[in-house]
Amino acid sequence: KNEVEQSPQNLTAQEGEFITINCSYSVGISALHWLQQHPGGGIVSLFMLSSGKKKHGRLIATINIQEKHSSLHITASHPRDSAVYICAAWLSNQFYFGTGTSLTVIP
Amino acid sequence: EAGVTQFPSHSVIEKGQTVTLRCDPISGHDNLYWYRRVMGKEIKFLLHFVKESKQDESGMPNNRFLAERTGGTYSTLKVQPAELEDSGVYFCASSQKQQTGEADTQYFGPGTRLTVL
Repeated sequence: KNEVEQSPQNLTAQEGEFITINCSYSVGISALHWLQQHPGGGIVSLFMLSSGKKKHGRLIATINIQEKHSSLHITASHPRDSAVYICAAWLSNQFYFGTGTSLTVIP
Repeated sequence: EAGVTQFPSHSVIEKGQTVTLRCDPISGHDNLYWYRRVMGKEIKFLLHFVKESKQDESGMPNNRFLAERTGGTYSTLKVQPAELEDSGVYFCASSQKQQTGEADTQYFGPGTRLTVL
């Protein structure tokens, strides 16, 4: 069993919809990373957070350390948001990655 | 500022051959990480360099994999001899100096897609 679980695995949304991607982890961590990977492209770091909430443009990431849960929200989704979103939990000096959520935003 | 670069972007080799992947981290980043993503699975940690020293190589799958970071700049990951199960995307990431146990924002390279036939 993977230490980090993401849901859903695949998500299709209409342009403009509010999107939520969830990440749960089974171990105590000190930080959690949200990453974005575009088709055929590299990985971009979106957020690193250890508590509370962070916002960047239309992206919002929250984390609840007690519940071992984090969410990534995208407001007013756009086709260019289509990508794989990966959460990674930092534990014992390394990251443990979720399998990713493949998001497709349809115009 | 240039990001993390990796070479080659794609490599197709036959079982038993040798392949060397290269990663150039962001200038000044002490930490360099190698990761691998096998088809359909999550990204897995391979190893971590701090400057030229191997800080953690617990994720290296076996002794067919050899990573080096001479001079603490770029790093190479050699697979010799390659097996079918080595196919996947190999990512490199770098980050600035960090205190032990603390996470730091890692900047990822575009990855090298390795296919072993």
